[in-house]
Amino acid sequence: KNEVEQSPQNLTAQEGEFITINCSYSVGISALHWLQQHPGGGIVSLFMLSSGKKKHGRLIATINIQEKHSSLHITASHPRDSAVYICAASNTGNQFYFGTGTSLTVIP
Amino acid sequence: DSGVTQTPKHLITATGQRVTLRCSPRSGDLSVYWYQQSLDQGLQFLIQYYNGEERAKGNILERFSAQQFPDLHSELNLSSLELGDSALYFCASSVGLGGPPYNEQFFGPGTRLTVL
Repeated sequence: KNEVEQSPQNLTAQEGEFITINCSYSVGISALHWLQQHPGGGIVSLFMLSSGKKKHGRLIATINIQEKHSSLHITASHPRDSAVYICAASNTGNQFYFGTGTSLTVIP
Repeated sequence: DSGVTQTPKHLITATGQRVTLRCSPRSGDLSVYWYQQSLDQGLQFLIQYYNGEERAKGNILERFSAQQFPDLHSELNLSSLELGDSALYFCASSVGLGGPPYNEQFFGPGTRLTVL
């Protein structure tokens, strides 16, 4: 069993739709990370959170420590949001565990 | 542009060979992380250095080694290469250790290694 599980694996949405990607983890964490990887391969760190909720533009990340669950929401999705979204958990020993990623395609 | 640079961008080599990948962190960042991303295994954490010292080790093979130099750049050495080592190798840097925001990572563009 992987330490970090993501769902769904693939997601296709119409432009403007509200999107949710889920992440569950089984390890103790110091932080939960959401990463975005575009088709060209580059990786960008979107959020790093240890509690509560963070918002950046149309992206919102939440975490429930008790349930060991995090969600990434995209409001008013746009074709440029098409990418692979990766959830990662880091512990106090600076070990990182990655989910397998969610491939998002937003259709105009 | 994250401020993290990696060279080379692409590397093609043969089985059994040895290669060195280089990473320069963002100015002011003391911590460097190395990751491997292969098609079948996704992203995997390899190793982390902080100010020249190894701080965390992940799924790094014995054939692989890394170091961080006094100027804080880091090198990942891969030896006795096998076909399965073909992957994207990412480097990331952060200000320091501990939780947010000190370990917020900034990723380099990656080095694509192809072993033939």
